[in-house]
Amino acid sequence: EDQVTQSPEALRLQEGESSSLNCSYTVSGLRGLFWYRQDPGKGPEFLFTLYSAGEEKEKERLKATLTKKESFLHITAPKPEDSATYLCAVQALNSGGYQKVTFGIGTKLQVIP
Amino acid sequence: GAVVSQHPSRVICKSGTSVKIECRSLDFQATTMFWYRQFPKQSLMLMATSNEGSKATYEQGVEKDKFLINHASLTLSTLTVTSAHPEDSSFYICSARSLGGLSYNEQFFGPGTRLTVL
Repeated sequence: EDQVTQSPEALRLQEGESSSLNCSYTVSGLRGLFWYRQDPGKGPEFLFTLYSAGEEKEKERLKATLTKKESFLHITAPKPEDSATYLCAVQALNSGGYQKVTFGIGTKLQVIP
Repeated sequence: GAVVSQHPSRVICKSGTSVKIECRSLDFQATTMFWYRQFPKQSLMLMATSNEGSKATYEQGVEKDKFLINHASLTLSTLTVTSAHPEDSSFYICSARSLGGLSYNEQFFGPGTRLTVL
């Protein structure tokens, strides 16, 4: 069974204090790893897709990297508006032959001014 | 681009009634839409995968007779919660997958529908 584990569950940072969120996964036949941002009471907002180990993508203060077993979301000099829950999801081919996306529980990030 | 809407955003209903939630892709065609449920402090749980013009594929443990899914067009999927009970109260989120262009294979999510069953 595909598993996605995110750590830490919660993270509190001072504004400007850089850090990284971790997403470790166990899947067979990875088809893609996704990062989303979710604000309270809203649907997830797409951030990145990574397809192969060694791949990196950046967007403003965020940078996502991927290895064969985990992905990191690096946040550089975060601002209070970066406060949200960050979700990691993996897409893999299941035994039924179709692609399924499994989500982690998320890391709740709070950036304090 | 890649905007997905849901309606309603919030609904309160009595136990035993049915509730329909709509999911629309506004600026792209989505041959596949997904329905998720999210309980407080838990991950998004996939309920079903909906392909336009065909029957939905339900995840293990999801009652297909209770959660009716219709994907009648490339831009609209509906989820009907039949005979709702308080334990069905949750945050229901749909997503749509684009199969073309730069956003190939990525899912874009709607804003969610908060269902409360009294």
